[in-house]
Amino acid sequence: SQQGEEDPQALSIQEGENATMNCSYKTSINNLQWYRQNSGRGLVHLILIRSNEREKHSGRLRVTLDTSKKSSSLLITASRAADTASYFCATDFTGANSKLTFGKGITLSVRP
Amino acid sequence: NAGVTQTPKFQVLKTGQSMTLQCAQDMNHEYMSWYRQDPGMGLRLIHYSVGAGITDQGEVPNGYNVSRSTTEDFPLRLLSAAPSQTSVYFCASSYSFRQARDQPQHFGDGTRLSIL
Repeated sequence: SQQGEEDPQALSIQEGENATMNCSYKTSINNLQWYRQNSGRGLVHLILIRSNEREKHSGRLRVTLDTSKKSSSLLITASRAADTASYFCATDFTGANSKLTFGKGITLSVRP
Repeated sequence: NAGVTQTPKFQVLKTGQSMTLQCAQDMNHEYMSWYRQDPGMGLRLIHYSVGAGITDQGEVPNGYNVSRSTTEDFPLRLLSAAPSQTSVYFCASSYSFRQARDQPQHFGDGTRLSIL
């Protein structure tokens, strides 16, 4: 399967701590995206990073991409209880026909 | 703008029944897609469309049918419902697919479907 794999599957941290989530994939990509899903809701796009980029920032979010290791990391700094959600990486694989492939997701719990 | 609207939000069907899940977007997006989300499986692509009149299969197309007669609407039809199709279904859209700046997907809030 070309599906990206997130790690860890679940993460529980204290409010104020940083949360690091990882995504690995197997074949070359055009870009990689991170999404957040709150309970009972649809997914919300967070960041898109292209294959020729190494790092992107958006507010408290920092995404890195290492194409040589075929992996990406999402860092949430100074976490808040409102960051409690599931996080998914989605990959646009080179050669795939207009498809995004989502991983199984990481459940993040931020304790107040 | 309403974004991506999915109806109904909840539905219970009996095995063998057919139904259509509706998806509409008001953002003039060319690309639309349907996913199903099951526990432990993440999101799996069912069908997608790169524009009106053009559809293609995703990872798990069996048992589902789609058409795209207008830019705004992308309905998903279950031909003969089976318990294995119990899932949460999400519709998503984006302005285009290959232009990365336009690619981020906008999701609806889902249809929760139970097949008895």
